[in-house]
Amino acid sequence: EAQVTQNPRYLITVTGKKLTVTCSQNMNHEYMSWYRQDPGLGLRQIYYSMNVEVTDKGDVPEGYKVSRKEKRNFPLILESPSPNQTSLYFCASRPRGALYEQYFGPGTRLTVT
Amino acid sequence: DAKTTQPTSMDCAEGRAANLPCNHSTISGNEYVYWYRQIHSQGPQYIIHGLKNNETNEMASLIITEDRKSSTLILPHATLRDTAVYYCIVYFALNEYQTGANNLFFGTGTRLTVIP
Repeated sequence: EAQVTQNPRYLITVTGKKLTVTCSQNMNHEYMSWYRQDPGLGLRQIYYSMNVEVTDKGDVPEGYKVSRKEKRNFPLILESPSPNQTSLYFCASRPRGALYEQYFGPGTRLTVT
Repeated sequence: DAKTTQPTSMDCAEGRAANLPCNHSTISGNEYVYWYRQIHSQGPQYIIHGLKNNETNEMASLIITEDRKSSTLILPHATLRDTAVYYCIVYFALNEYQTGANNLFFGTGTRLTVIP
């Protein structure tokens, strides 16, 4: 089944404790993104990647890092999480050329205390 | 990119057609209209997109006015599983290497509730 997977789905952590949220897709898509969703703000893009070893900032990159060492994986790293990073996070991927058709993962609900 | 205006919420009776409006009065000639939906706390799901002509697929129909300043997403026979937030997005990317080409701006959408 074609899908985007994320792990963990739920995470409660403390300020300053480094964490990684994994994202993997099995559709051989070139493009991958991370979004965060907050009440009243819709989805905002954090980082995106157009291919292996090619990443760039989205609208709200502060406090996050990403890497794209393999085509299928695009982990999101919070080096020193803070409470304002409490949010619902989505990973997405799409094939080259299909600018409109993004496939989203199931989401990761992160709480930083 | 053009902004969109959608009603905050709508109700629809199960089995009836759900018509979700979207205003995009500042849309430019090369911007597409996309619709996504998000069922509670799940990832957004692509529904349909169009430029000028009306479009139909297995999920929905998209009606775009002739002046392209508004559109309507139609779910022909709404079911309880169609209860979700529906996002209308307008976007154009010159090419895939344009900065932010992967960034569709999701606003706050319309919360559709299908009532039994």
